[in-house]
Amino acid sequence: NAGVTQTPKFQVLKTGQSMTLQCAQDMNHEYMSWYRQDPGMGLRLIHYSVGAGITDQGEVPNGYNVSRSTTEDFPLRLLSAAPSQTSVYFCASSYLAGDSTDTQYFGPGTRLTVL
Amino acid sequence: KNQVEQSPQSLIILEGKNCTLQCNYTVSPFSNLRWYKQDTGRGPVSLTIMTFSENTKSNGRYTATLDADTKQSSLHITASQLSDSASYICVVFTSGTYKYIFGTGTRLKVLA
Repeated sequence: NAGVTQTPKFQVLKTGQSMTLQCAQDMNHEYMSWYRQDPGMGLRLIHYSVGAGITDQGEVPNGYNVSRSTTEDFPLRLLSAAPSQTSVYFCASSYLAGDSTDTQYFGPGTRLTVL
Repeated sequence: KNQVEQSPQSLIILEGKNCTLQCNYTVSPFSNLRWYKQDTGRGPVSLTIMTFSENTKSNGRYTATLDADTKQSSLHITASQLSDSASYICVVFTSGTYKYIFGTGTRLKVLA
């Protein structure tokens, strides 16, 4: 049971480049989400999914796309990287029970720098 | 607007002392409230989860309380240790939009 895995751990991009951050979980969780955390700041929701084939926007979705073709995977695509997207990106997953059993598990993060 | 506010923003205490962190929320509909611990450079880790009917939940030296009437929660840390130095984040899950609403966190530093 690997939990939530994210790749890559570190990435440097040039302005205008595109890339995909990978996120996978092996706990059969329905709910997956992407957050960004800027230095010294709190986590902000980018996109989330309540199940395969279903995605929705969070509070800062511009410049990012997601898809959820399987329960296990939830990749985040940066369409045209900008310096303002320099941040640490966390993926998380949980059940959707709505009670004390749906612990949210976070991946180790991807540190992205856009030059 | 759904919001979670935490206080204080930062806190410094001596090892062995107790402390209490506060969280106020205006989230509707309310599903549950969580406290997370985030060490520097790592993802958050869940400490406690409380639903509407739960007033208190403990996890070792961490005790969370919830007052659903006043929409307030607190996290009490007993006999602090150096390893408690971290950010503590209050999070409310709303079943209306299926979103976790994050507070900005309290940065705790425990000094020897």
